[in-house]
Amino acid sequence: QVTLTESGPALVKPTQTLTVTCSFSGFSLNTRGMRVSWIRQPPGKALEWLARIDWDDDKFYRTSLKTRLTISKDTSKNQVILTMTNMDPADTATYFCARMNVEFSLFDNWGQGIPVTVSS
Amino acid sequence: EIMLTQSPGTLSLSPGERATLSCRASQSVTSNYLAWYQHKPGQAPRLLIYGASSRATGIPDRFSGSGSGTDFTLTINRLEPEDFAVYYCQQYGRPPLTFGPGTKVKIK
Repeated sequence: QVTLTESGPALVKPTQTLTVTCSFSGFSLNTRGMRVSWIRQPPGKALEWLARIDWDDDKFYRTSLKTRLTISKDTSKNQVILTMTNMDPADTATYFCARMNVEFSLFDNWGQGIPVTVSS
Repeated sequence: EIMLTQSPGTLSLSPGERATLSCRASQSVTSNYLAWYQHKPGQAPRLLIYGASSRATGIPDRFSGSGSGTDFTLTINRLEPEDFAVYYCQQYGRPPLTFGPGTKVKIK
């Protein structure tokens, strides 16, 4: 059974760096073809893909946020970590991690998400 | 970037009725790479449909997807109480991956 769980702070101040962690089980990011993404959903807005890391450590970022995002993995802990610098109130959102299908770029398992508020 | 719009924004129906949800793309979705997800508050979103019409593993056959090009439909036959949720479409044919804003199916 595949599970993903997000963790991190519920509140960050403007200009601070957000670090959220996705802890997963039921698969390994050492397995060829495995990929994990981060997606967010601001209140009342659409889901927005942010970043992806692949089994071979390839990384991909949303173009508009590329300078602020870093995705990494710790395969020994079965974790994927996302950092976002220079947080702004507009970054207030629920942040989800999701495992991606091996063949297609869709999301076959998700975490419940972690709500993050950016406020002073 | 392919923009997805979903209609209606909210659908009020009774259990046992049929729900018809629409997802329209701003440009043709490559190879009909269109997925649908169900999301209930506080839960993880769940993949329902991929490739516009293929049900994901374990999804009941009352859920069906159809469409091609720019117009796609998710149909839920005989709504069960557990089907009241928000439904999102997502295109994965061309980066960046994009989602629709969602349709909320609520109990009438």
